[in-house]
Amino acid sequence: QAQLLESGGGVVQPGRSLRLSCAASGFTFSSYDMHWVRQTPGKGLEWVAAISPDGSNKYYIDSVKGRFTISRDNSRNTLYLQMNSLRAEDTAIYYCAKDLRGDYAPYWGQGTLVTVSS
Amino acid sequence: NFMLTQAHSVSESPGKTVTISCTGFSGSIASHYVQWYQQRPGGAPTTVIYEHNRRPSGVPDRFSGSIDISSNSASLTISGLKTDDEADYYCQSYAGSSWVFGGGTKLTVL
Repeated sequence: QAQLLESGGGVVQPGRSLRLSCAASGFTFSSYDMHWVRQTPGKGLEWVAAISPDGSNKYYIDSVKGRFTISRDNSRNTLYLQMNSLRAEDTAIYYCAKDLRGDYAPYWGQGTLVTVSS
Repeated sequence: NFMLTQAHSVSESPGKTVTISCTGFSGSIASHYVQWYQQRPGGAPTTVIYEHNRRPSGVPDRFSGSIDISSNSASLTISGLKTDDEADYYCQSYAGSSWVFGGGTKLTVL
């Protein structure tokens, strides 16, 4: 079955950078739209970014445009989120998720915590 | 921009049936599939309903989903409530290629 494993979270100072990774297995990674979604502890879910199966199309929430970059390496079955110029308000658990396709439901990873603090 | 709204919380007794609603604004709820996610405290979201009314394997048939075009809303119904169903429930749909979430409904089973 599908598995998604995020990594790369941690504590970082405002203005610095961090790269998150999401290792996929158990499904044909290169066939799926993939997403990053974040959640501030105690709050709701916020979609952050999405990427098409071949990586040619990328979409972002306005608050991260120009600072975050979503990418993927289909040869490594891995999704990435490069986060630059981090702000305190970017502090959240970041989840990667595969979109629905055909008979298959969306599936989420377990998340990785990013804390932006001086 | 398409938005989804949910009640903040709902509570019901074990064994009863509860319905959680998700109302669409600035667009039709029927234009894109609606999914429902369950998130238990400290856990990641898991899919309980996708494509309006389909259940992933492993999700009990006590969970069902529907949409109502007249009210522009989607609903998640959980019958035979168990204490284990206590969680936050989020609806999700699409605005173009981006995901749109409702604010989440906290279900208390007491």
